[in-house]
Amino acid sequence: ILNVEQSPQSLHVQEGDSTNFTCSFPSSNFYALHWYRWETAKSPEALFVMTLNGDEKKKGRISATLNTKEGYSYLYIKGSQPEDSATYLCAFHNAGGTSYGKLTFGQGTILTVHP
Amino acid sequence: NAGVTQTPKFQVLKTGQSMTLQCAQDMNHEYMSWYRQDPGMGLRLIHYSVGAGITDQGEVPNGYNVSRSTTEDFPLRLLSAAPSQTSVYFCASSYLGGQYFGPGTRLTVT
Repeated sequence: ILNVEQSPQSLHVQEGDSTNFTCSFPSSNFYALHWYRWETAKSPEALFVMTLNGDEKKKGRISATLNTKEGYSYLYIKGSQPEDSATYLCAFHNAGGTSYGKLTFGQGTILTVHP
Repeated sequence: NAGVTQTPKFQVLKTGQSMTLQCAQDMNHEYMSWYRQDPGMGLRLIHYSVGAGITDQGEVPNGYNVSRSTTEDFPLRLLSAAPSQTSVYFCASSYLGGQYFGPGTRLTVT
């Protein structure tokens, strides 16, 4: 079983604060690292797919970085807004053997942005 | 495109009953998967398929069967429902660049 860990488990910030959280994953058999945003009572929505070591992706106020050699990715939110409140999931996309194509999800970081 | 559709949205079963959760996608994706979501556990992979006729087990396959006779459909069968299978089930399809999730099926087993 692959170990994909996210920290912190939950985070409360004030509107306007910038924040970041971490996803750690195995550094072998790496194909891609996915980030998803998951609002309550909805389906997870893809934010980023990252494949190359050193990758940086940006979407509005949200950005992510990737280090495949040490097995971690950071997600940053600049100037948090209440509508950013959601669970942020990362998923390790396996390249190896019979596990090719499988996604293993972390438990998620629950972000609450207070007005 | 309808994307990924799942039926039913809600279901209540008695222990021992069987049922099939339906999942369909119209994006011609080869890869489809089923997850369950439980509090504090994130999304756990039940079964997945890399194409019609090919399925494989995920992290928590016990008590579930799948088949993939067409590219579009990937039903999940509960053979004999147990209270431990009370969960929200998500189907997803992907192009290897990221997964599209269906709206989910909330299942309660009493």
